[in-house]
Amino acid sequence: KNEVEQSPQNLTAQEGEFITINCSYSVGISALHWLQQHPGGGIVSLFMLSSGKKKHGRLIATINIQEKHSSLHITASHPRDSAVYICAHTPLNYGGSQGNLIFGKGTKLSVKP
Amino acid sequence: GAVVSQHPSRVICKSGTSVKIECRSLDFQATTMFWYRQFPKQSLMLMATSNEGSKATYEQGVEKDKFLINHASLTLSTLTVTSAHPEDSSFYICSARDYRDWPPSYNEQFFGPGTRLTVL
Repeated sequence: KNEVEQSPQNLTAQEGEFITINCSYSVGISALHWLQQHPGGGIVSLFMLSSGKKKHGRLIATINIQEKHSSLHITASHPRDSAVYICAHTPLNYGGSQGNLIFGKGTKLSVKP
Repeated sequence: GAVVSQHPSRVICKSGTSVKIECRSLDFQATTMFWYRQFPKQSLMLMATSNEGSKATYEQGVEKDKFLINHASLTLSTLTVTSAHPEDSSFYICSARDYRDWPPSYNEQFFGPGTRLTVL
C-alpha cells in the first residue's frame, strides 16, 4: 500500500528550538518532497531529494533510502516558521500518472515567541 | 523560481452553478499540470493529471463529467466544477511540471496558491 506517515501530527515549539519532523514511506520512490503549507493554503516546495541531505538556510532535509525514512529539521525556529509541513513522494511505479505525488497528512508546527 | 498562479483564489457560489478555476505557469512551459483537492484536515489528493493537447487522466473515484479539465496551452489548464454541490466545497490546488524535466519519474512540481471553493 502506498502510504506516507508523518510524525508528529502537531508540534508546538518555543522560538529558537531545534525542530525535527519525520516521514516514513512504504514503497520505492524516485524522489521525496518536503512542502510547506501556510494558513491561507498556498504551498511552497522546500526540498526535493532522492538521497543524502540538502540544506537551505535554516532548513535541512535528509533521506535514508534503505530505511524509507526522511527528516526535516529546522534550526533556530521562528514564529514565521509556523505552518503545516507536508512530506510527499513520487513512487517508482506511478502507473502512468507521470510523476504525481503521494502526500502525507502533514505536521502542523506552531512556534511561540 | 518557477511561478504558478491560480484564479480565483476564493469563490462562493450557489448549488447547481458551474465554477471555472484557472491554473497558469507564468515563467515556464508546463506540459503536465496536476489538480489536487484538499478537504479540511486531510491530505492533498490527486484528482487528475492534465497534459497539454490531450485528454486528462482522472484518478479513481473522480467524475470526469463533473470535473472538466482543459489544458489547451503549455501555460494554462482549467478545472471546471460543473453543477457544484456543497460536498464539492474544498481547497483546489494545481501544480505544474516544466517540460524540460524528463524523465517524469524524477520531477519537481511547482504549486499554485490554491482556490477555496464554497458551495452554498
